[in-house]
Amino acid sequence: EAQVTQNPRYLITVTGKKLTVTCSQNMNHEYMSWYRQDPGLGLRQIYYSMNVEVTDKGDVPEGYKVSRKEKRNFPLILESPSPNQTSLYFCASSFTTTGGEGTQYFGPGTRLLVL
Amino acid sequence: GENVEQHPSTLSVQEGDSAVIKCTYSDSASNYFPWYKQELGKGPQLIIDIRSNVGEKKDQRIAVTLNKTAKHFSLHITETQPEDSAVYFCAALNRDDKIIFGKGTRLHILP
Repeated sequence: EAQVTQNPRYLITVTGKKLTVTCSQNMNHEYMSWYRQDPGLGLRQIYYSMNVEVTDKGDVPEGYKVSRKEKRNFPLILESPSPNQTSLYFCASSFTTTGGEGTQYFGPGTRLLVL
Repeated sequence: GENVEQHPSTLSVQEGDSAVIKCTYSDSASNYFPWYKQELGKGPQLIIDIRSNVGEKKDQRIAVTLNKTAKHFSLHITETQPEDSAVYFCAALNRDDKIIFGKGTRLHILP
């Protein structure tokens, strides 16, 4: 089954404790992206990657890191989480950049609470 | 900067009635407009999209219209059913090949 998976689905942590949210897709997509979703703000892009070893900042990259060592995986790293990073996070992937053929497939989301 | 405005933020309609969600975009070079549906506890899922070379597209009970001159596009759901209750996002692909999302509309279908 074609899908984007994220782990963990739920996470409670404390300020300053490094964490990683994994994302994996089995569709051989080149483009992958991370979003955060907050009430009233919709979906905001954190980072994206157009291919292996190619990553770039989205609209709200501060406090986050990503890596793209393999085509299928795109982990999101919070080196020193803070309470304002409490949010619902989504990973997405598509065949190309978000061009006309680039329908994005979203993962199920990771709900993060930083105390 | 480029943005996509979406209205209303919340919409309640009686089961069987129609629902309309409207979006406007600012980048005149935008040429692709997808709509996503997000059910509770799930990620957004594409339900319909439209390109700038057509004015309307229909898929069963769902239709999208596009007015390039006015830079707005709308989602129409007819004969609404309880399973249509969800959050809907419009989006537009801008000149930098980046998808810009609206802030979402929470649709409630009333029994």
